[in-house]
Amino acid sequence: AQSVTQLGSHVSVSEGALVLLRCNYSSSVPPYLFWYVQYPNQGLQLLLKYTSAATLVKGINGFEAEFKKSETSFHLTKPSAHMSDAAEYFCAVSATQGGSEKLVFGKGTKLTVNP
Amino acid sequence: DAGITQSPRHKVTETGTPVTLRCHQTENHRYMYWYRQDPGHGLRLIHYSYGVKDTDKGEVSDGYSVSRSKTEDFLLTLESATSSQTSVYFCAISTRTPNSGNTIYFGEGSWLTVV
Repeated sequence: AQSVTQLGSHVSVSEGALVLLRCNYSSSVPPYLFWYVQYPNQGLQLLLKYTSAATLVKGINGFEAEFKKSETSFHLTKPSAHMSDAAEYFCAVSATQGGSEKLVFGKGTKLTVNP
Repeated sequence: DAGITQSPRHKVTETGTPVTLRCHQTENHRYMYWYRQDPGHGLRLIHYSYGVKDTDKGEVSDGYSVSRSKTEDFLLTLESATSSQTSVYFCAISTRTPNSGNTIYFGEGSWLTVV
């Protein structure tokens, strides 16, 4: 069964600093991996998606993630944090059961950006 | 914008009353999902549908039922609401493209409080 572990429920960085949000996955088949962002009182917005076309995936708002099969990781990074990046971030893996596909989510990491 | 509309967006109800949440999509997607979001748990799948009248359970389906009588509408019903069902409920749809698998897009959420 597929699963996702996000290391660190809260991450705090200074404006302009590197953002690194960690995600490790477990999957018995080559996975599709996702990062979503959620701003307060809003729905989830897709940041980026790994589909095996390239190990480094670029997303919206300057975020990118690198798929490392040997480490079963899909960490999210941004070189320079902005105040508007403060949000909760969710890593997810696509799971297929009986021909139906659904997402399995990590518990989320809340990012705080300090001025 | 994946053309997903959830209603109601906010509701307060009493313990023991039935509640129905509606998800409406405008783009004829086959797969639809209901997730709930709770602090510390991320998003957990309640039920999903892979076509009209075709539904299946997710990981937290107890106390919930669903119906899909037409492609565009997916209803989530709490037969007898309990305080443990106070949560934010998200509807989602899945799009599928060749060589990149599915991508799931979320609605804006329905905030349900059971008192």
